[in-house]
Amino acid sequence: GAGVSQSPRYKVAKRGQDVALRCDPISGHVSLFWYQQALGQGPEFLTYFQNEAQLDKSGLPSDRFFAERPEGSVSTLKIQRTQQEDSAVYLCASSLDGRSNQPQHFGDGTRLSIL
Amino acid sequence: RKEVEQDPGPFNVPEGATVAFNCTYSNSASQSFFWYRQDCRKEPKLLMSVYSSGNEDGRFTAQLNRASQYISLLIRDSKLSDSATYLCVVTGQSNTGKLIFGQGTTLQVKP
Repeated sequence: GAGVSQSPRYKVAKRGQDVALRCDPISGHVSLFWYQQALGQGPEFLTYFQNEAQLDKSGLPSDRFFAERPEGSVSTLKIQRTQQEDSAVYLCASSLDGRSNQPQHFGDGTRLSIL
Repeated sequence: RKEVEQDPGPFNVPEGATVAFNCTYSNSASQSFFWYRQDCRKEPKLLMSVYSSGNEDGRFTAQLNRASQYISLLIRDSKLSDSATYLCVVTGQSNTGKLIFGQGTTLQVKP
């Protein structure tokens, strides 16, 4: 399909393990966003890329969270030494050029559960 | 205080009813405004953008009051398929496209 693709769809990890979440944006989309959605809440911004440049990482909750987009396409969100509070749905979105009036297209998300 | 505040509901309405959702935002520098719809265990999807002049898309009407920093969504003639969570969304100050979401308002339309 031509939409945003995220993998894995579900991830269960033990507390203290590292996890990596992948996002394939829509082809040609310059901007890529990561959001975290806790149960019963709206998504919260984590970080933003324009091509390969990470222009805003103000939403990353701690230095255990790291994101990259080395070739300006696929992005990976890595969480080190996972904690139970990291359990959430991690959503990736892409947009054509990141301008505020451009619609963001979301992937299905990765549902992360930390035991 | 959250940047975008919504009544979480749930709103339980019969088919055919008119229902209104409200939202307030705290950052007067926000430039773009949206309503997103999110079905259970699905990703958010753009329902409509919101403009200062107000805009309508079929049974849906959105309004923005910049002076009061208030956004609304009106759904007329509710359908069962309208049952979902409606997220009020504004952009951040930096104009990078970063979205700031409200908690969401849950609508349940009953036969």
